[in-house]
Amino acid sequence: GAGVSQSPSNKVTEKGKDVELRCDPISGHTALYWYRQSLGQGLEFLIYFQGNSAPDKSGLPSDRFSAERTGGSVSTLTIQRTQQEDSAVYLCASSLAGGPNTGELFFGEGSRLTVL
Amino acid sequence: AQSVAQPEDQVNVAEGNPLTVKCTYSVSGNPYLFWYVQYPNRGLQFLLKYITGDNLVKGSYGFEAEFNKSQTSFHLKKPSALVSDSALYFCAVRVMDTGRRALTFGSGTRLQVQP
Repeated sequence: GAGVSQSPSNKVTEKGKDVELRCDPISGHTALYWYRQSLGQGLEFLIYFQGNSAPDKSGLPSDRFSAERTGGSVSTLTIQRTQQEDSAVYLCASSLAGGPNTGELFFGEGSRLTVL
Repeated sequence: AQSVAQPEDQVNVAEGNPLTVKCTYSVSGNPYLFWYVQYPNRGLQFLLKYITGDNLVKGSYGFEAEFNKSQTSFHLKKPSALVSDSALYFCAVRVMDTGRRALTFGSGTRLQVQP
């Protein structure tokens, strides 16, 4: 597709359940980012993938959160044993790496997670 | 460490008037600075960036921003606001020379342009 695609767009789950959120980046983009946007707050960095390098996981809030990127393309963010404070919009972005394109991220429309 | 502050939760301006959305940053090193915009029910979109060179950078939709190193600021401006500019604006920073490639975003400023 032409843009970053995220699924599901909305997810309602019960506390304690596991959830998986998917991101399909723009073809050819080597960098992929996950951010979290909570109501009334800014974007919180979660994790960053760049090519075959080890991901930057420094933003993951706890060991219940993990992400992988298979084949340098699609990424899945997994939240285990969800808590109510995990409720947020999870945003994925992709970009070309470096050079004149530095910092120009293309965002998906997000996956809204509600934990009851 | 790197951080961004957007001191105003909301900015109100009348259509046709100039607008300013404020941003200050804190980094150890030289910064890359960015503005992104989030329209209602839409994803974030890149607006403009400062990498190096001229302190005044121009971006999409008539927006511009001025990098001020001494004041560590990167305020977003537009000479004449439109109602359609009403949206949520985010400032972001990345340090130029370190391994951390992810952008750090501010908390956002909601711009409301009244007709």
